[in-house]
Amino acid sequence: QQPVQSPQAVILREGEDAVINCSSSKALYSVHWYRQKHGEAPVFLMILLKGGEQKGHDKISASFNEKKQQSSLYLTASQLSYSGTYFCGTEKTSYDKVIFGPGTSLSVIP
Amino acid sequence: SAVISQKPSRDICQRGTSLTIQCQVDSQVTMMFWYRQQPGQSLTLIATANQGSEATYESGFVIDKFPISRPNLTFSTLTVSNMSPEDSSIYLCSARGQLTGELFFGEGSRLTVL
Repeated sequence: QQPVQSPQAVILREGEDAVINCSSSKALYSVHWYRQKHGEAPVFLMILLKGGEQKGHDKISASFNEKKQQSSLYLTASQLSYSGTYFCGTEKTSYDKVIFGPGTSLSVIP
Repeated sequence: SAVISQKPSRDICQRGTSLTIQCQVDSQVTMMFWYRQQPGQSLTLIATANQGSEATYESGFVIDKFPISRPNLTFSTLTVSNMSPEDSSIYLCSARGQLTGELFFGEGSRLTVL
């Protein structure tokens, strides 16, 4: 079952922060986050494996609440290079198929 | 990390014909997948390519329409059979890294069916 993402789209000015949410109606083993720029392949950002786990990657971090079956991606002090579509992907078990959410379009403007 | 080479990168096909997309990974991976992506849309999983056995298809996708092979750990093919304009899309090969579990993606094959 496809996870739900919110918001659908967001526009930021450079330096602003954003949060993208991902939720599932099913119990999850892990959540993946990817960014895709127009005309390019998706690029891996991070994977969260445990309930309550948080990870960071430069100014991009994420959390995973296993009990609520939710994950959030945090982008702080956004840069122009952050523009793209962000997809969360969910797995029900270890080394399972990854089902992607509908995506969140993020545009960072000067 | 893994680098995935996919070909063709794009093609224009006639209705009723078939096209095979090839996917080669430069390192050992555990799982390989095929996704489809319409412009501006999400990635829809077609199937999991299983080494040496039949692929596992998702709901809405069948072997007769999308036969998949994976003869070894690093190579897979997807055939789009008896194409119609509705099959026009980007087809993405993906492979799962052994250590981190992340998915690597090929650059995609953009198919246009006339």
